[in-house]
Amino acid sequence: EVQLVESGGGLVQPGGSLRLSCAASGFTFSSYWMHWVRQVPGEGLVWVSRIKEDESEINYADSVKGRITISRDNAKNTVSLQMNSLKAEDTAIYYCVRGVGGSRYFDSWGQGIVVTVSS
Amino acid sequence: QSALTQPASVSGSPGQSITISCTGTSSDIGGYNYVSWYQQHPGKAPKLMIFAVSDRPPGVSSRFSGSKSGNTASLTISGLQAEDEAYYYCSSYTSRKNSLFGGGTKLTVL
Repeated sequence: EVQLVESGGGLVQPGGSLRLSCAASGFTFSSYWMHWVRQVPGEGLVWVSRIKEDESEINYADSVKGRITISRDNAKNTVSLQMNSLKAEDTAIYYCVRGVGGSRYFDSWGQGIVVTVSS
Repeated sequence: QSALTQPASVSGSPGQSITISCTGTSSDIGGYNYVSWYQQHPGKAPKLMIFAVSDRPPGVSSRFSGSKSGNTASLTISGLQAEDEAYYYCSSYTSRKNSLFGGGTKLTVL
């Protein structure tokens, strides 16, 4: 069974940093693109970032470019999201997501982790 | 880059069929057959219902079907059931090497 478990969320002040991690199990992690998608409670889904199986391609949404860095460790089956210079509008539930065929579709989602940016 | 356009809400009675539209541009929906649909119940993670415009993952009911015409994709749910009440989101790969989601549609089963 595919499992994606996020950790590292919490409350952070504006301008601060936070590192989210996602532990994957139940599949060959090194064979899949991984993504982060976020959702402000009560609002829609927003794609944030993706990383290719071998880290040779990385892409970001314009809203986070320059402030967020995605990385992965195929030996540890983890994908991470380093978030810097956080703003109030980064407050959301962050989902770790497995992508098929790059970004053709997202077939497995974590349970989500809450990030709150507030003073 | 704007979100894909979905109606805010749709409703139907048990047993009826409903269709949710999702409109984009030639740079996303119209340019690729990479449209997918997700169901999200309150407080839960999204669940893949349709991929590659019209394919269903194993375990998803055949009552769910997808299609695309030009820059608009559609999700049809036939034989509505109470458990279908949820939010539905469309998504498409785009020419900018990112993914766009729709704003979401709340389905109410009357």
